[in-house]
Amino acid sequence: LAKTTQPISMDSYEGQEVNITCSHNNIATNDYITWYQQFPSQGPRFIIQGYKTKVTNEVASLFIPADRKSSTLSLPRVSLSDTAVYYCLVGYPNDYKLSFGAGTTVTVRA
Amino acid sequence: GAVVSQHPSRVICKSGTSVKIECRSLDFQATTMFWYRQFPKQSLMLMATSNEGSKATYEQGVEKDKFLINHASLTLSTLTVTSAHPEDSSFYICSARGAGRAGEQYFGPGTRLTVT
Repeated sequence: LAKTTQPISMDSYEGQEVNITCSHNNIATNDYITWYQQFPSQGPRFIIQGYKTKVTNEVASLFIPADRKSSTLSLPRVSLSDTAVYYCLVGYPNDYKLSFGAGTTVTVRA
Repeated sequence: GAVVSQHPSRVICKSGTSVKIECRSLDFQATTMFWYRQFPKQSLMLMATSNEGSKATYEQGVEKDKFLINHASLTLSTLTVTSAHPEDSSFYICSARGAGRAGEQYFGPGTRLTVT
């Protein structure tokens, strides 16, 4: 499983865009990049997944450069309810095991 | 779709007793489920992989005789913490891999175990 590095924490204000970058220098050819969100005392929730270039859904966007050694999760116009821990995971689709790193604690203030 | 439930959500037990936690995939079949443990302000730590109809695979350092896992059907996996001690107090989370997106897992809401 490729190791990932994320900032420990980020602060933002309501209405701003939050960008969290994850480094995964040893990502393998078949690895996908997946982001999860976790609120206190809840299980993680899938946010977005991508392999290359850009992926967008109703919640976030995921930007992946050509070398795939990093990725950026973009949360548009955050609200207080987006305060959570965000985890970046990298792995091969058929490798069922997920390895969670420390995650990034995002705090959104009014 | 793709909902995973856990029961109970919270449990308090006395030291030395056993506690069973259930994990169910409500609207899909999960041949593989996973059990994680999470201590306060820490990340999730994978404990074991539960395969329907076969023995669970435990991660290094996890005592299989203490954390009994049974995956009796395609929608149910159970984790039994045997002879619980205060240090076993933690947040236990299960997940199930869906048939859809590559590598995506659906997580349960977690079970808060407190051993007194």
